[in-house]
Amino acid sequence: AQKITQTQPGMFVQEKEAVTLDCTYDTSDPSYGLFWYKQPSSGEMIFLIYQGSYDQQNATEGRYSLNFQKARKSANLVISASQLGDSAMYFCAMREGDTGFQKLVFGTGTRLLVSP
Amino acid sequence: GAVVSQHPSWVICKSGTSVKIECRSLDFQATTMFWYRQFPKQSLMLMATSNEGSKATYEQGVEKDKFLINHASLTLSTLTVTSAHPEDSSFYICSARRQGGKYQPQHFGDGTRLSIL
Repeated sequence: AQKITQTQPGMFVQEKEAVTLDCTYDTSDPSYGLFWYKQPSSGEMIFLIYQGSYDQQNATEGRYSLNFQKARKSANLVISASQLGDSAMYFCAMREGDTGFQKLVFGTGTRLLVSP
Repeated sequence: GAVVSQHPSWVICKSGTSVKIECRSLDFQATTMFWYRQFPKQSLMLMATSNEGSKATYEQGVEKDKFLINHASLTLSTLTVTSAHPEDSSFYICSARRQGGKYQPQHFGDGTRLSIL
């Protein structure tokens, strides 16, 4: 089974509107972390936001917020007030456990296009 | 600003050449760095975990003799693609994580686009 699933290959949103990018995960480890990264066409991976499995509140970072629904094993990224510069690939990733190398497993990504 | 530097950004070389890619953590020490490979329009696939002062840990299916990893210091890891062939052409990207707990994200370099002719 896929550990990270992003079901939306592409999303369109108009500038200034909000958009939700979906991410579901699968793990039996009680301790895990969920990350969202942005990858512009230039290729670099930009860290956006983090949610720990024991965090009581949904994470927020500026215009980014994470809708964490633990029972549903979902960690959707919400981008408010979209900007043209938000057009990029977005990857959801998971870290399982607290020890060891703490590797990340990435989803297949969602391409977001923000139109004027 | 960037906290992880990767060099070179682009490499174009002939088949059979060995190519070295460097990954440096700029303002922190990283005992562990990660090397990924990304094919066009696909996700990042972890190749190996680079450990300072010891052998790298490779993911299943990754050839150790093909992709040599050296982590000689706390701020530098290198990936050498030995005797590269066209099928090795890809986007390679490294990451490093600050010490200090499970909440630290991995910080990525800008990646290296490798084209083997």
